Amino acid sequence: EAAVTQSPRSKVAVTGGKVTLSCHQTNNHDYMYWYRQDTGHGLRLIHYSYVADSTEKGDIPDGYKASRPSQENFSLILELASLSQTAVYFCASSDAGDSYEQYFGPGTRLTVL
Amino acid sequence: QQKVQQSPESLSVPEGGMASFNCTSSDRNFQYFWWYRQHSGEGPKALMSIFSDGDKKEGRFTAHLNKASLHVSLHIRDSQPSDSALYFCAASEDLNVGDNSKLIWGLGTSLVVNP
Repeated sequence: EAAVTQSPRSKVAVTGGKVTLSCHQTNNHDYMYWYRQDTGHGLRLIHYSYVADSTEKGDIPDGYKASRPSQENFSLILELASLSQTAVYFCASSDAGDSYEQYFGPGTRLTVL
Repeated sequence: QQKVQQSPESLSVPEGGMASFNCTSSDRNFQYFWWYRQHSGEGPKALMSIFSDGDKKEGRFTAHLNKASLHVSLHIRDSQPSDSALYFCAASEDLNVGDNSKLIWGLGTSLVVNP
């Protein structure tokens, strides 16, 4: 089965600090996504990528950067973490060969204090 | 305004019963729909996709799509306690690479199946 892993699984960060969330997929998928999940807001797309070395802004990109150095790896970077970025973050991958179904990682619970 | 709206917000059914979920979109451009399920502490997992009008059945799960009314539903028969989870509807305008291929998600319906 397709596999997406995320690290760390949980993190506590201080306001104003830098946070990097990592995602690795072994699905050989071209597309990768970063979402955040908050109670009452469902899943919201932050950044996505269709090919290595290229990223696109999603619906809520402010305060976040993304990096896709290879097909397998996709990182989400919070340069100056803020309280409002406390959430659960999910990475996903998909591809035409899998009927565009998105395969999600287990999530990273980020708490900014 | 939420482009993909789900109802009810929560649902409780007895073991062996039928669970039904509804999803309505406000954007007629949406052509492709998915149902995802998320168990507590895990990432969402796709249950099924439906792209054409009518019914699609996979095991205990049946999805129905009516593009004219912008309505899609999911029904689970013979519900089991392990079906207790958050159920999401998601939609997109296109399947190809591009901005319109992004998934737009509903807020989810919480299902509890009581033994």
